[in-house]
Amino acid sequence: GENVEQHPSTLSVQEGDSAVIKCTYSDSASNYFPWYKQELGKGPQLIIDIRSNVGEKKDQRIAVTLNKTAKHFSLHITETQPEDSAVYFCAASKGITGGGNKLTFGTGTQLKVEL
Amino acid sequence: GAVVSQHPSRVICKSGTSVKIECRSLDFQATTMFWYRQFPKQSLMLMATSNEGSKATYEQGVEKDKFLINHASLTLSTLTVASAHPEDSSFYICSTGGKGNQPQHFGDGTRLSIL
Repeated sequence: GENVEQHPSTLSVQEGDSAVIKCTYSDSASNYFPWYKQELGKGPQLIIDIRSNVGEKKDQRIAVTLNKTAKHFSLHITETQPEDSAVYFCAASKGITGGGNKLTFGTGTQLKVEL
Repeated sequence: GAVVSQHPSRVICKSGTSVKIECRSLDFQATTMFWYRQFPKQSLMLMATSNEGSKATYEQGVEKDKFLINHASLTLSTLTVASAHPEDSSFYICSTGGKGNQPQHFGDGTRLSIL
């Protein structure tokens, strides 16, 4: 089955700096890669996703890049703010959007944005 | 995005009690829902796929007689933890499977504590 690795497990940055989280996946059939933000005591919230026919996607301060050949994808957050502090999970799926197909999650990254 | 309501948010009960958790898709019909379990500081682990009108599909190692899933309508899936014991204490989260091109959206989880 699919295996998703995520690094780093913890990341501390100064407010205003950029943060990068990286994931690798094992199954070349995976074609949908969402990123979720989870705040303490809450469920994961979708922040951005990318499909395999796209190499990069951006939404304001958040961007995701995908390298299908190398089977890795990354989350980039620019101009970090304290409210960005949370646990971030990457995931992979073989579905078009992961809606009807199972998601395999990475191990999570605890991001802390310091003032 | 889709709105998923999960209830209750917190349950504390004695060992041997059966606990029912509800997951509702509020703004669209979800033929598929997913149930996850998350231990502290760990990732989400898929327990089962809930299919409207048919039996749930359980992941390897998940006891179907322990974690009973019912998906009787397109907007409601329930997870019942039968005769819960302290080792069943965890954070249980549901998600919608999406419709068409919709990504997965998660409920806010249920914190289950068995004394």
